[in-house]
Amino acid sequence: DAKTTQPPSMDCAEGRAANLPCNHSTISGNEYVYWYRQIHSQGPQYIIHGLKNNETNEMASLIITEDRKSSTLILPHATLRDTAVYYCIVTIVGYGQNFVFGPGTRLSVLP
Amino acid sequence: DAGITQSPRHKVTETGTPVTLRCHQTENHRYMYWYRQDPGHGLRLIHYSYGVKDTDKGEVSDGYSVSRSKTEDFLLTLESATSSQTSVYFCAISELRDQETQYFGPGTRLLVL
Repeated sequence: DAKTTQPPSMDCAEGRAANLPCNHSTISGNEYVYWYRQIHSQGPQYIIHGLKNNETNEMASLIITEDRKSSTLILPHATLRDTAVYYCIVTIVGYGQNFVFGPGTRLSVLP
Repeated sequence: DAGITQSPRHKVTETGTPVTLRCHQTENHRYMYWYRQDPGHGLRLIHYSYGVKDTDKGEVSDGYSVSRSKTEDFLLTLESATSSQTSVYFCAISELRDQETQYFGPGTRLLVL
């Protein structure tokens, strides 16, 4: 059963904010939301994660709704190098072997 | 970038041939993982290791074996390669206290003819 639902593809203009949505309506209270991305032909790259509070790091911001049923990854100023597949993963912590990478969202940043 | 290397990066082999892929890390992370990535299936876990000589199966372990005799090295062996094992193989590492933050290697492209 899919724990997350993401749009298959999105476009974003270079320099604009990219907002990538993720629905996780069946998330449990102890499950975190993780985001990874995979640039063409490379290994996946960790971006950010959160439980219920909004999080920000040097790469992105993560906004989790109050009911925790959805989240949005925000790349504040998208560049061409941000073109990638973005994966939203819901998981309990302490079980790294339980990661399920779905199909993700293919983000294309356009010049 | 985390210090993870995979070798070889590309390999072409024939059906029935044994193949060993190597993952090497310089981060001293306890956990190591082998994934395969195929079109339409995304990333799937093959095997993982939670310490030297400690390994366990993942979702798609049939036809694969692993070994970890040192912290820094995690080997994936295809005992008798089949065409269905043509794939891109990624190694990943993580720390004990943060298993979900995984750092991935550059991948190995394997073609089994």
